[in-house]
Amino acid sequence: AQTVTQSQPEMSVQEAETVTLSCTYDTSESDYYLFWYKQPPSRQMILVIRQEAYKQQNATENRFSVNFQKAAKSFSLKISDSQLGDAAMYFCAYRRTLVVQTGANNLFFGTGTRLTVIP
Amino acid sequence: GAGVSQSPSNKVTEKGKDVELRCDPISGHTALYWYRQRLGQGLEFLIYFQGNSAPDKSGLPSDRFSAERTGESVSTLTIQRTQQEDSAVYLCASSSKTSGGFWDTDTQYFGPGTRLTVL
Repeated sequence: AQTVTQSQPEMSVQEAETVTLSCTYDTSESDYYLFWYKQPPSRQMILVIRQEAYKQQNATENRFSVNFQKAAKSFSLKISDSQLGDAAMYFCAYRRTLVVQTGANNLFFGTGTRLTVIP
Repeated sequence: GAGVSQSPSNKVTEKGKDVELRCDPISGHTALYWYRQRLGQGLEFLIYFQGNSAPDKSGLPSDRFSAERTGESVSTLTIQRTQQEDSAVYLCASSSKTSGGFWDTDTQYFGPGTRLTVL
């Protein structure tokens, strides 16, 4: 079974600074997807960024970027120019591809990292 | 609606009672997932619906849990004879799972969840 590990239960960052959240995963598959979701106190899970395993280029979305190291099975999230609104729980998640798979393509989640942004 | 909606937002019940949780997916989304999030934990997959296919129930923790979905619309998650360990946030997600093609673009969009408290 796939497992996702987030070893940092809590992180803090000064406003306008940069922070990196860590994530490692375990899988025997060569093709898959990785995601970072943000969960503010409202409980809504918001997709921050996604990475296809077959792509060597790291995904970026405005201030959010990832460092995807496939051989090391590592998928970290970098938040640049941190803002107060970035404060939330961040979850790393893994999903299989649809091809040749049957059944659910559910997400496997890590336990999350709580990010605090200090004004 | 613009996003996934869930009701009720909060539910408090007594041990042994049955509860029903509702999810309205994004219009046109054929795939629907239920997840459970215990306090301080990541999300655990419960059940998956895809169109008119038989649901994937592999994540349901016991036979007290069941879910239904009418076509590609509303889904209800039912927990019978609730126990205190059922206390959690129950999240629903939907996606426009594509069939055919080599690489999918299935991204799951989440509702705000229902917080269930079993006394």
